[in-house]
Amino acid sequence: NAGVMQNPRHLVRRRGQEARLRCSPMKGHSHVYWYRQLPEEGLKFMVYLQKENIIDESGMPKERFSAEFPKEGPSILRIQQVVRGDSAAYFCASSRGAVLETQYFGPGTRLLVL
Amino acid sequence: SQKIEQNSEALNIQEGKTATLTCNYTNYSPAYLQWYRQDPGRGPVFLLLIRENEKEKRKERLKVTFDTTLKQSLFHITASQPADSATYLCALGGSGGYNKLIFGAGTRLAVHP
Repeated sequence: NAGVMQNPRHLVRRRGQEARLRCSPMKGHSHVYWYRQLPEEGLKFMVYLQKENIIDESGMPKERFSAEFPKEGPSILRIQQVVRGDSAAYFCASSRGAVLETQYFGPGTRLLVL
Repeated sequence: SQKIEQNSEALNIQEGKTATLTCNYTNYSPAYLQWYRQDPGRGPVFLLLIRENEKEKRKERLKVTFDTTLKQSLFHITASQPADSATYLCALGGSGGYNKLIFGAGTRLAVHP
C-alpha cells in the first residue's frame, strides 16, 4: 500500500515563474492537507481539501497561491509568479476521515526560487 | 494567538537512557495531540496520537502523556538508541472539528553511543 506521493521532489524556479506541486494521497484517503516548512521552523498549515472542495484555506497567502483536489487525479498546489520567499519545503498529508484521524505525510517538494 | 513551544535546543543523551521531550501550548484547546518524527530531508512520520481525555499512551519504547490542565505533553523514549536521533515534532489538532494541525518547531534529539 503506497504512502503519500509527492512530485517533484525538488523544483527550481526563477522569480516570476510558476510552480506546480503534486500530491497523491494514500489509497482510500479523501482528505488532503498542505503544509509549508521553512528552514529551522515548524510546519505551517496552508490548506485543507476534500475531493473537489476547499474546506479551509486560512493558511494560504491570498495572492499567487491556489490549491485544488479534482475528482480524478492528484491534488495540486500552484504558486504563480514565485518570489525568493517562496523557497521552502512543501508537504502534503492525507487522512481517511476528518476528525481524530492520523495524517500521513509525503516526502515533500523542496522548492528553490532563484 | 495559538502558540506551541518545544525545547529549541538539541537534546543530547547517552544510548540506553530515557529521552524526555516537552511540548507546551497556550491559547488552544486541542481535541488531540500527535507526535511525529522527522529526519533531515524527509517528511514527518507519525508516532503517537493522544486524545484530550487520555492521560497516557504507550507504544513499544515510546510513551506520551497529556495534561490539559498544564497544557503540556511529555514524550519519552526509553532505552534510547542512536537510530532514534531525529527531530521530534509536537502537533495539536481537532479545533473546528477537523484535522488542521498546529505544529511546534520541533526538538532535535541526538543519541550518542
